[in-house]
Amino acid sequence: AQSVTQPDIHITVSEGASLELRCNYSYGATPYLFWYVQSPGQGLQLLLKYFSGDTLVQGIKGFEAEFKRSQSSFNLRKPSVHWSDAAEYFCAVGAGRGSTLGRLYFGRGTQLTVWP
Amino acid sequence: GAVVSQHPSRVICKSGTSVKIECRSLDFQATTMFWYRQFPKQSLMLMATSNEGSKATYEQGVEKDKFLINHASLTLSTLTVTSAHPEDSSFYICSARTTDSFNQPQHFGDGTRLSIL
Repeated sequence: AQSVTQPDIHITVSEGASLELRCNYSYGATPYLFWYVQSPGQGLQLLLKYFSGDTLVQGIKGFEAEFKRSQSSFNLRKPSVHWSDAAEYFCAVGAGRGSTLGRLYFGRGTQLTVWP
Repeated sequence: GAVVSQHPSRVICKSGTSVKIECRSLDFQATTMFWYRQFPKQSLMLMATSNEGSKATYEQGVEKDKFLINHASLTLSTLTVTSAHPEDSSFYICSARTTDSFNQPQHFGDGTRLSIL
């Protein structure tokens, strides 16, 4: 069965510091992988996605993620964090077939706090 | 870009009432809509997958008679929480996509905060 693990519940970094949010997945086939960001009381915004090809994908807001099949990981990175990056980050794997094609399985999320 | 509108954004009602939440795709036709539930400090849990013109596919453990989903058009899906109780209080989020392909990402609404007194 598919699952997503985000081992870090809460991460705190200083503004300007680098960031890496971890994500591990379990899926029997080639995964479709996503990172979403959620601000308080809001829906989710797509940061980036991986389907195939280059294992290093670039997203919006200066984020990137690297797919490592051997480690079943899809970690999110940003070289220099801004205070506005403080939010909840969710990793997700896409699965489903037939009538449920397109369903996403989400990790528990990582809350990012940014110190000024 | 693609926009999904969810209404209402917040609702407070008494126990035993039914509450309807609307999810609209404003500038695209949504062949599939998804309904999620999110508890505080937790992840999104998929409740059901809604395809236009057909019955929704519910996830295991989700009561079909409790959470009624209707997807009557390509731009509107509704979730009705029937006879709501305090344990139904949660943040409900819908998402929509244009095709069955993952190449088209899901677009999320801003969610509905449901509080049952």
